[in-house]
Formats: sequence, C-alpha cells, structure tokens
Amino acid sequence: GESVGLHLPTLSVQEGDNSIINCAYSNSASDYFIWYKQESGKGPQFIIDIRSNMDKRQGQRVTVLLNKTVKHLSLQIAATQPGDSAVYFCAEMAGTASKLTFGTGTRLQVTL
Amino acid sequence: EAEVAQSPRYKITEKSQAVAFWCDPISGHATLYWYRQILGQGPELLVQFQDESVVDDSQLPKDRFSAERLKGVDSTLKIQPAELGDSAMYLCASSSQQGGFRETQYFGPGTRLLVL
Repeated sequence: GESVGLHLPTLSVQEGDNSIINCAYSNSASDYFIWYKQESGKGPQFIIDIRSNMDKRQGQRVTVLLNKTVKHLSLQIAATQPGDSAVYFCAEMAGTASKLTFGTGTRLQVTL
Repeated sequence: EAEVAQSPRYKITEKSQAVAFWCDPISGHATLYWYRQILGQGPELLVQFQDESVVDDSQLPKDRFSAERLKGVDSTLKIQPAELGDSAMYLCASSSQQGGFRETQYFGPGTRLLVL
C-alpha cells in the first residue's frame, strides 16, 4: 500500500517493548484530545480520547497522558505488536467549534 | 460495528474534469465532516454539516468545491474543475454530537484522488 507520510518523525521499537509517542499542542483553549492510528491507505482509526479535566486515561494496552501546563500529550502503548505499526496523529478541539486540528503525526515502526 | 462508508476508494481524473465523492455516515450521527489529507500531513477540515446545514465551510475553496447533505444523512463532495493540487486523500467523518458537546469523530476509509 501507499505510504501515509513520507517524511514524518519515526519511532522504532522492538516487539514487546513499550512505545511512547509525544505530541505538543499550542492552543491553551483546547479541551478535548484524540489519538488516531492511520495505516497505509486507510482512514484514521480512533484509539483513545481525553478531556482537559483529566490527566490520564487508560484503554486496552494504551494510556494517554495530558500535561496542560506544558501543553503536551503522550500516547503509551504497552507490549507493542507488529500490528501497531502505523502513523499516529494527535488531534485537538477547542472552543465552541467541533473542528479537529491534527498534529504532524509520528510513524511507529515495530521491529521483530 | 458501524462504520463510515465512502466511495469510490480511488479516483483518477484529468485536470479540468469534474469529480464527486460520496459518504454515508454512521447511522444516527448528526454531524458529518469532510477532511482533505495531503500526503505526509494530518487531515484538514473542509466542511462540517449539522444535519443538512453547513456549520463551517471556511476552509472550502468555494470557487471549485461544493458539498451537500440534502436529507441530513449521506453527503456528496464535488470538485469542478479539478486541478493538479487537488490530488489528496478525501476523508469523511461523523459524530453523534449535538450542539457543543465533545464527541469522537469516526473516519471512513477515504477516497484517494489523483489528478493528472
């Protein structure tokens, strides 16, 4: 399949290790954040979300941390698997609008 | 599991031709979005519908792009005439949100457009 992103920051991890993908946002008014996974040639797939009144939220094998002081968001994937290989985007929402603003994206490569 | 449907999945056209993309949101979702994703970048919103009404089309190039959601269910995005710079992935998303609540947006598989 075609590549989602050709010049994205890349994180390489070994299968079984934990992955941490970081995202910085600039809008201090953002109050809702979503992490999406995008595989080659496919649409973004929802992973996990978090609202600004929370610092941490856990899902199945994934944890999102939000640090509003430094406007930083991270996605932690436990026991990374080959199927986790994809481009990961953080997206934010602010104010009365429901428009999502996406970050640059990070390519996660899982090595065997 | 309910999904957002889009067609066609791929479209190749020559510049100056007209193209149209179709989207069927998740059943019951009142809000529908069209995004454009250029290779290597995140999606950018083109237009947002709440039921059949346009809520935000500030980023839609209205000289050549049009979008409609006549019955508040499925939607069509049209480009006429297509230009080389329109080559991109066109993504449709939907959410159940009403008003100002924060709800997850679910994306379809996208339509990959190549303009020659």
